[in-house]
Amino acid sequence: SQKIEQNSEALNIQEGKTATLTCNYTNYSPAYLQWYRQDPGRGPVFLLLIRENEKEKRKERLKVTFDTTLKQSLFHITASQPADSATYLCALKKVSNYQLIWGAGTKLIIKP
Amino acid sequence: SAVISQKPSRDICQRGTSLTIQCQVDSQVTMMFWYRQQPGQSLTLIATANQGSEATYESGFVIDKFPISRPNLTFSTLTVSNMSPEDSSIYLCSVPGTSGGAHEQYFGPGTRLTVT
Repeated sequence: SQKIEQNSEALNIQEGKTATLTCNYTNYSPAYLQWYRQDPGRGPVFLLLIRENEKEKRKERLKVTFDTTLKQSLFHITASQPADSATYLCALKKVSNYQLIWGAGTKLIIKP
Repeated sequence: SAVISQKPSRDICQRGTSLTIQCQVDSQVTMMFWYRQQPGQSLTLIATANQGSEATYESGFVIDKFPISRPNLTFSTLTVSNMSPEDSSIYLCSVPGTSGGAHEQYFGPGTRLTVT
């Protein structure tokens, strides 16, 4: 079955450093991979989308890489700030339908 | 991006009762999705609600337990019927983005349900 794995342990990062989160998947060939941010008590918020033929995508302090050979995506936040503390979810999508397959998310804590 | 509201934001209900969750979108959308998110777990799609047709339910979810209405292009309801403590969860509605290909999704704030 399709499976998406994100580190279930919280990631603690010192303010100003780069935070890197990992998303691994198996038994799946996604057309798109997406990253979302979720704060406590709120719904997920879309951040970035990367296509299967793209290696890297950037948006301000965010960078996403997509390695279809390793079946892995890395999500980087540079110059991290305490306001970046949240849970980050990755989701995969086939081109054939609108359904997303979700990871359980990794909690990121940026310490001042 | 769409702005989505949900009612109620939270509720505590007794087992055996039903709760109807409302989802309102600020623009017309063909598809609306209903998800469940249990603590520490990934989002699980319950069903896809299209206006003018029956909702499509995912494996493990049935219409008798989670009836859905979709009366127009900006509104949907999800009812959690005959609730048990196992139904305690956050329920989220979402819609596809309006950018080309509509690949991303936009979510409401969620409804936190506790069943006692």
